[in-house]
Amino acid sequence: GAVVSQHPSRVICKSGTSVKIECRSLDFQATTMFWYRQFPKKSLMLMATSNEGSKATYEQGVEKDKFLINHASLTLSTLTVTSAHPEDSSFYICSARGKDRWDEQFFGPGTRLTVL
Amino acid sequence: EDQVTQSPEALRLQEGESSSLNCSYTVSGLRGLFWYRQDPGKGPEFLFTLYSAGEEKEKERLKATLTKKESFLHITAPKPEDSATYLCAVQYDMRFGAGTRLTVKP
Repeated sequence: GAVVSQHPSRVICKSGTSVKIECRSLDFQATTMFWYRQFPKKSLMLMATSNEGSKATYEQGVEKDKFLINHASLTLSTLTVTSAHPEDSSFYICSARGKDRWDEQFFGPGTRLTVL
Repeated sequence: EDQVTQSPEALRLQEGESSSLNCSYTVSGLRGLFWYRQDPGKGPEFLFTLYSAGEEKEKERLKATLTKKESFLHITAPKPEDSATYLCAVQYDMRFGAGTRLTVKP
């Protein structure tokens, strides 16, 4: 299957700072990318869906001003957690889907964010 | 609204003890049902996609089946390395169920 990478894999930051997480599709063009959040021993919660060149669509309850998503190219999407607080600590996972196959979605390895 | 419910929440098996995981769904016109495996601290790994009732797919010790209301993931003679959380999701936007945490003891 196709490969999706995330960077960084782990990040620790101080409260009040902003953190950017990158999601890259390495061997295919990702027309749609998804961002998920996962709490310990819980399932993936869809945060937002982004299409290349368009504004992201956020799920109900997700603050768009806190979680900034940019999908500027067909291989890169970024999630910026602005003014992070301890409650934003979580495991963030991205996934990507190509143009022709809506039923093939490939996940990144995840990014563990810890806000002190 | 689409709903996905997985059961049981957790399952402990002895090595070689076959069992099934359940994923029941409520959607308007199923386009696809997906099974993923997730190891701790990692992203989900794709297992199967099922599109229509009656469809079955197999991979090693795993077999996924689909009816009009639910899907089963059958695990035959599991090994400790099958221990993971198994997730199912439906439709375009891949909304996940809560998952089943499977532990296989040697």
